[in-house]
Amino acid sequence: SQTIHQWPATLVQPVGSPLSLECTVEGTSNPNLYWYRQAAGRGLQLLFYSVGIGQISSEVPQNLSASRPQDRQFILSSKKLLLSDSGFYLCAWIWDGEQFFGPGTRLTVL
Amino acid sequence: AQSVAQPEDQVNVAEGNPLTVKCTYSVSGNPYLFWYVQYPNRGLQFLLKYITGDNLVKGSYGFEAEFNKSQTSFHLKKPSALVSDSALYFCAVRDPYSGAGSYQLTFGKGTKLSVIP
Repeated sequence: SQTIHQWPATLVQPVGSPLSLECTVEGTSNPNLYWYRQAAGRGLQLLFYSVGIGQISSEVPQNLSASRPQDRQFILSSKKLLLSDSGFYLCAWIWDGEQFFGPGTRLTVL
Repeated sequence: AQSVAQPEDQVNVAEGNPLTVKCTYSVSGNPYLFWYVQYPNRGLQFLLKYITGDNLVKGSYGFEAEFNKSQTSFHLKKPSALVSDSALYFCAVRDPYSGAGSYQLTFGKGTKLSVIP
């Protein structure tokens, strides 16, 4: 069966520090992968999506970047975190036309 | 551009009563519609979807949704609410003609459902 993992589950970082969040998918190949951010426990904002290795599309200009170094790995990064980067980050993938979500990473920037 | 509206930030319902969470959408073609549920500090869980066919779609945990093309609505319903149904509910739409193989979903802002014992 297909599963999606996110690491770490929670993270507290100071302003100006770097960031690396990882998403990995098991049980499938060449999935479409997505990064979302959810602020204040409400609406989701699509940040990036990827249809294959090395292919990244950015939906919102911001302080973040994404990379897909392997088929089933999707990484969200920042060189210098801002307070406004705090939120709940969700990775998702597509199977049979449906999006399935990982457990999420809670990021707090202090 | 596609959009989704969930007009209620919060819905309160007594346990055992029927519940409805409202969703309206805007898309250029025939929509693909979805409902997701989110429990605190968890990822979103898929509940149900409408692609084509019967307007009444049945999903997980006893939930169903009715697609109404004339009213561009896709309201989530359940005949008898449980306290464990308390969560955040998201409606989402995908325009099948959005192209680029991106399968992007546009989500509503979410509706917090509270089921009161």
